[in-house]
Amino acid sequence: GQSLEQPSEVTAVEGAIVQINCTYQTSGFYGLSWYQQHDGGAPTFLSYNALDGLEETGRFSSFLSRSDSYGYLLLQELQMKDSASYFCAVGSSGSARQLTFGSGTQLTVLP
Amino acid sequence: DSGVTQTPKHLITATGQRVTLRCSPRSGDLSVYWYQQSLDQGLQFLIQYYNGEERAKGNILERFSAQQFPDLHSELNLSSLELGDSALYFCASSVGGTSDNEQFFGPGTRLTVL
Repeated sequence: GQSLEQPSEVTAVEGAIVQINCTYQTSGFYGLSWYQQHDGGAPTFLSYNALDGLEETGRFSSFLSRSDSYGYLLLQELQMKDSASYFCAVGSSGSARQLTFGSGTQLTVLP
Repeated sequence: DSGVTQTPKHLITATGQRVTLRCSPRSGDLSVYWYQQSLDQGLQFLIQYYNGEERAKGNILERFSAQQFPDLHSELNLSSLELGDSALYFCASSVGGTSDNEQFFGPGTRLTVL
């Protein structure tokens, strides 16, 4: 089976940088994804790492180390609108590919 | 707007009843996923369909069933409802194949069982 661990809450101030870590255990790993969800809203895809290293998309970057079963999401120049829940999700390979989501990290950005 | 539509937005019903949630995927997407999200919980994968066929099953109760129709829309049927079934139910879609890591979520159906 799959399991993921991420912090339940993170707080930071506007303009700061925050890192949300995710460790996972899975069989047939094929990638780590990150999703953002505002209160009551739909999750939206942020990034995906299939290979080790850093992927950058604007203010957001995501990192993966497959040997450490570890990844993180880095949010820079935090804005109030970044206050949301962030979920890491691992994909498992095989004929039935599916994502297993972590329990989410609630990010609060303070003024 | 992800391009995925779900109806209804809200549903209030009583214990023991049966409801049907509907999802239309993005144009061109062949895979449809259903997730349940209870209060302050993560997304629990229920079931996936790909081009009309069941592809993967997660933590879906026997009281729940789903199907994907030839036009690729999907329905999730919840029966013998219990208070604990109150949750947000999301449908997501993806192209399928190697693109399942990026899923596009609909706005969800909020189910309240009284």
